[in-house]
Amino acid sequence: GQSLEQPSEVTAVEGAIVQINCTYQTSGFYGLSWYQQHDGGAPTFLSYNALDGLEETGRFSSFLSRSDSYGYLLLQELQMKDSASYFCAVRDFEGSQGNLIFGKGTKLSVKP
Amino acid sequence: DTEVTQTPKHLVMGMTNKKSLKCEQHMGHRAMYWYKQKAKKPPELMFVYSYEKLSINESVPSRFSPECPNSSLLNLHLHALQPEDSALYLCASSQDMGVNEKLFFGSGTQLSVL
Repeated sequence: GQSLEQPSEVTAVEGAIVQINCTYQTSGFYGLSWYQQHDGGAPTFLSYNALDGLEETGRFSSFLSRSDSYGYLLLQELQMKDSASYFCAVRDFEGSQGNLIFGKGTKLSVKP
Repeated sequence: DTEVTQTPKHLVMGMTNKKSLKCEQHMGHRAMYWYKQKAKKPPELMFVYSYEKLSINESVPSRFSPECPNSSLLNLHLHALQPEDSALYLCASSQDMGVNEKLFFGSGTQLSVL
């Protein structure tokens, strides 16, 4: 079946670097997306990797290894406002006809 | 305009009430979605509309009834809900179903069923 695994919680201090891993198991694969959601807010798209390698967007980078069915989100120079839940997502070709399904989310807490 | 607007932001309803959630986008997106999200859980897909036609209904109970009056609007009609239906209901849109890795979400409606 389809599955996405990511850590449930991560804690880091301001200014640090944190990596949130995601492993996936899917019957078909197009790419890996990442979303950020603050408490009480809407999920916001961060990045999408269809090919192997690192994609950088400001302080955030995302990496994909298709051969390892693995990706990660790298957050640098952490700020308090980065405290949020982060979801990886893939297309689900078994149940949802190619629509996005989300991992269970990683709650990132940034401490002063 | 890169916004998806949802109303109301909060809704409290009894189990015998009928209410509707509304969603609007003006990005020209042709796919619109309803997701349900329980606290500390990921969003779960409920319905997908593609070019104003219902494309996917993820085995959602009939007390939830979606409607897409035009390409910019999406409604979710609620009737005879149960307390376990209390959740954040998120509307989203994407360019089309084939380009759905980047979803634009609204802020959601926090629904409480008493």
